[in-house]
This record gives sequence, C-alpha cells and structure tokens, in this order.
Amino acid sequence: NAGVMQNPRHLVRRRGQEARLRCSPMKGHSHVYWYRQLPEEGLKFMVYLQKENIIDESGMPKERFSAEFPKEGPSILRIQQVVRGDSAAYFCASSRGQNNEQFFGPGTRLTVL
Amino acid sequence: AQSVTQPDIHITVSEGASLELRCNYSYGATPYLFWYVQSPGQGLQLLLKYFSGDTLVQGIKGFEAEFKRSQSSFNLRKPSVHWSDAAEYFCAVGSQMEYGNKLVFGAGTILRVKS
Repeated sequence: NAGVMQNPRHLVRRRGQEARLRCSPMKGHSHVYWYRQLPEEGLKFMVYLQKENIIDESGMPKERFSAEFPKEGPSILRIQQVVRGDSAAYFCASSRGQNNEQFFGPGTRLTVL
Repeated sequence: AQSVTQPDIHITVSEGASLELRCNYSYGATPYLFWYVQSPGQGLQLLLKYFSGDTLVQGIKGFEAEFKRSQSSFNLRKPSVHWSDAAEYFCAVGSQMEYGNKLVFGAGTILRVKS
C-alpha cells in the first residue's frame, strides 16, 4: 500500500509565476490536510479537505492561495503570483476519517527566486 | 486556541545516554497528542500518539511518552539513544471536539547525538 505521494518533490519558480503542488492520499483515505513549514519553524496548518469539499481553510492566506480535492485525481494546492516569502516545504497528510491518524507525504520544497 | 511549546530548540546527547524531549500544550479539552520525527529533507514519521487510556504510551524505535494532564505535558523519552536518532522532533496536538483533526505543531527540537 503506497503512502501519501506528493509531486513534485522540488519546485523552483520565479516571482510572479504560479506553483501547483499535488498530493495523492493513501488508498482508502478521503481526508486531506495541507501544512506549510517555513525555514526553521514547525508545520502550520493551512487547509483541510474532503472529496470535493473544503472543510476548514482557516490557515490559508486570504489571497493567492487555493486548494481543491476533486472527485477524481489528486488534491492540488495552487499558489498564484508567488513571492519569495512563499518559499517553504509544503506537506500533505491524509487520513481515513476525521479523527484518525494523519499520514504525511515527503513534502514539496518550493523555492521562489 | 491550541498551542504547543517545545522549550528546547537543540539538544545534544551522547550515544547510549537517556533522552527526554519536553512538550507542553495548551488546550481546553482532552487533546489528541502526537510525536513526529523528521529527518533532513524528509517527511514526518509518527513515533507515537495519545488519544485516551493509559497515560504512558509506547511508540516505535524504543520511544515512549507520558501524558500528564496536571502539567499539560507530553514529554518524549528514550532510555538509550542511538546515532540514528539524530533528527528533528515535533510534538503536536489535535482537537477531539472539532470536526476534523488539524494538528498544531510545536517549533521542533533538533536532536544531535555525539559518539
């Protein structure tokens, strides 16, 4: 049973470009969480999604960031018009239910030049 | 609001020595508590978790943690550290009352092991 998959593992963008980060949850998991880890900090919750629904986006910046988890395919975290401050590691986690253990992917390390 | 404090940013221990990493949380109800380990450039691996029941929790790789409600603590321990334990350790708290289980993480403790 494959774990949580994220791609790309590393992503380099120039200021103003768009970044798309993908997360495929573990088989049988319908809950996805995105976290951001800034350099030398802990992970910060961004958004919690179930299939086709955003349940909690209280940690998402109000502008430029969006997330989706369509009926088919991976969850996508989209960052428009990236700035240097967006450089971070973005982790996705999935769980079977809303209060079950979260399994983390290897992360996508975004560098904005 | 939930919060997690890991007072020690860095800890260095000798191989074979015992280890205790501190974690204090702030949460109004009974929390879910977790310890994760992160190796450089890698994702997070769950070491152990506390949901309810026995307050002494056993995890993988010989780690254990004790939930102390009166002290709002969930310290991680290992009796004998191995060089491969060098990594960053994160304590996290999740809510039982709200829908979903978003985790609030501490800032992490970097463990160095000297031979």
